[in-house]
Amino acid sequence: SQQGEEDPQALSIQEGENATMNCSYKTSINNLQWYRQNSGRGLVHLILIRSNEREKHSGRLRVTLDTSKKSSSLLITASRAADTASYFCATAPNFGNEKLTFGTGTRLTIIP
Amino acid sequence: DAGVIQSPRHEVTEMGQEVTLRCKPISGHNSLFWYRQTMMRGLELLIYFNNNVPIDDSGMPEDRFSAKMPNASFSTLKIQPSEPRDSAVYFCASSLMVGATDTQYFGPGTRLTVL
Repeated sequence: SQQGEEDPQALSIQEGENATMNCSYKTSINNLQWYRQNSGRGLVHLILIRSNEREKHSGRLRVTLDTSKKSSSLLITASRAADTASYFCATAPNFGNEKLTFGTGTRLTIIP
Repeated sequence: DAGVIQSPRHEVTEMGQEVTLRCKPISGHNSLFWYRQTMMRGLELLIYFNNNVPIDDSGMPEDRFSAKMPNASFSTLKIQPSEPRDSAVYFCASSLMVGATDTQYFGPGTRLTVL
């Protein structure tokens, strides 16, 4: 079954607004990663947050992790048209068959 | 660095034909991954290699799929015989660290259409 599930499935906002996407997962994790995929392209790594971290920043991106709720959020501030893409969370489990499991993604559309 | 290189970028073939997808990982990376992406099933890990050795092939759909990594700079994913349900975008990714939980760098993908 899918480890990470993003919410919402699709999001449309005006350019300049902030966009927030959420990811929920089921089992204990070593780390959680966010990736972006532009239409017709490969995935691009955005940020990795480890299980002992609560918040991480990278430019206009802010990621939070709440291991007690098994959830993470990705905030994109001051959105731009170029941010239009699908965003995926990927979880790395803490045990067992350790490999990344990708969620189903949030499709973000920035309206100019 | 050129990033992960995949070829071909597009492949159209007829059912029953053999298809070979190729990947060149980022130089110095120790892990290589093959994924398949479809609308219905999302992104699925097919197989991954650590230091050229296959570690987990539990995602390979069936015996029609095989993957090799003869050296650190080249891998192939072969489908023989191909079927229409194999139509998807196939991604190769590589990672610096040994293992499957570190940052992965994806190639541009091969869009496969089986008629």
